[in-house]
Amino acid sequence: EDKVVQSPLSLVVHEGDTVTLNCSYEVTNFRSLLWYKQEKKAPTFLFMLTSSGIEKKSGRLSSILDKKELFSILNITATQTGDSAIYLCAGTDNYGQNFVFGPGTRLSVLP
Amino acid sequence: NAGVTQTPKFQVLKTGQSMTLQCAQDMNHEYMSWYRQDPGMGLRLIHYSVGAGITDQGEVPNGYNVSRSTTEDFPLRLLSAAPSQTSVYFCASSDRVDGKNIQYFGAGTRLSVL
Repeated sequence: EDKVVQSPLSLVVHEGDTVTLNCSYEVTNFRSLLWYKQEKKAPTFLFMLTSSGIEKKSGRLSSILDKKELFSILNITATQTGDSAIYLCAGTDNYGQNFVFGPGTRLSVLP
Repeated sequence: NAGVTQTPKFQVLKTGQSMTLQCAQDMNHEYMSWYRQDPGMGLRLIHYSVGAGITDQGEVPNGYNVSRSTTEDFPLRLLSAAPSQTSVYFCASSDRVDGKNIQYFGAGTRLSVL
C-alpha cells in the first residue's frame, strides 16, 4: 500500500531558527515528490522534485530528494512568523493520477 | 483566471440529507480529484477523474459519488450524509503538460453533519 510519512508532526520554534522537515515515501511507480504549504485554506504549491540530489530553492526554503533512500527534506532558514503553517508532502506516480499525501507537519514560529 | 472554484464554502447538514459539492476549473486540466482533510490524517483521496466521462475510486470512496460530464466540472455528491463525513473537502486539478503534474487546490468546503 502506498504511503507517505512526515516527521515531526508538530514543531514549535522561534523566529530566526532553522528547521528541517522530513518526508519518507513508498509510492508505486514513483515519479515526483511535491511539497505544499497550507495556511488557513487550500494548500499552495512549493516545490516539485523529480531527480535525486538536486536542490531546489526559493528564498529561505529549499528541498532535496533522495530516491535511493526514498525521502525528502524541506529546510527553512531564518524562520519568520509567516512561515507558520502545515507543510504537506505528497508522492505521485508516473501517470499523474495517484497523489499520496502525508499527514503534514504543523510548524509554529513564535516571535 | 479563476483556477479551481469550489462551492459552497460552508455547509451544515442533518444526518440522512443529501447534497452536492461543486467544483469547477478553467485551466483545461485533464485530472481532477476530491480529497477530505481530517485532523492528523492529511489529505485522503475520495474519487478522481482522468478526463471527461472517466472516474475512479480513491482511498475513501464510500458514501460519495462523482461524475465528470465536462472537462471543467467535477461535482461530489453525498448520498445520505453521516456525522463521519464531517470534514473539510478539497477539490484539485492537475495537468501533465511537459511532464508537470502539480495539483492546484480549490479553497475548500467545510462540511458539518449533525
